[in-house]
Amino acid sequence: KQEVTQIPAALSVPEGENLVLNCSFTDSAIYNLQWFRQDPGKGLTSLLLIQSSQREQTSGRLNASLDKSSGRSTLYIAASQPGDSATYLCAVRGRDDKIIFGKGTRLHILP
Amino acid sequence: DVKVTQSSRYLVKRTGEKVFLECVQDMDHENMFWYRQDPGLGLRLIYFSYDVKMKEKGDIPEGYSVSREKKERFSLILESASTNQTSMYLCASSLEPPYEQYFGPGTRLTVT
Repeated sequence: KQEVTQIPAALSVPEGENLVLNCSFTDSAIYNLQWFRQDPGKGLTSLLLIQSSQREQTSGRLNASLDKSSGRSTLYIAASQPGDSATYLCAVRGRDDKIIFGKGTRLHILP
Repeated sequence: DVKVTQSSRYLVKRTGEKVFLECVQDMDHENMFWYRQDPGLGLRLIYFSYDVKMKEKGDIPEGYSVSREKKERFSLILESASTNQTSMYLCASSLEPPYEQYFGPGTRLTVT
């Protein structure tokens, strides 16, 4: 059974720093992996989607990488800003079409 | 831009009431999903649908049913609301591959 883990559960960094969020999964037979952000009390906003055949995707200050063999994905945020404060979730879609979410990393950017 | 809307942002219902949560997407997506999100448990899939009048159980379907009479609309029904169904309910939709999911703003349901 696929398990998705995000460590740490919470992270605080000073504004301007580059940072990496981690997502690990136990079954490498995935179809894709998607990163989301969620602001308090709101829905999820899609950030990046990486297909199983891809190694990385970039959007602005965000870069997501995927290493299926090690069961890991990272979300790199460059030059962090207070507006980046949110919870970041990853979700893995398996070959069986099941989508499993991690519990998220709560990020706080200190002004 | 894909837009997924949910009928209510906040809802308060009494135990035993029948509750309808509506979700509408405007991008002709085949796939629609209902999740609930609870602190410490994350997102859990309740039901999903790959086509009109088609539904599949997710991980926690007990106490819920769904309806998809039109492609753009997916309804979640709580037949007899209970306090343990107090939660944030999130609807999502996606196209066929690459299966990118788009979420609505969520409905915070409180059952008293």
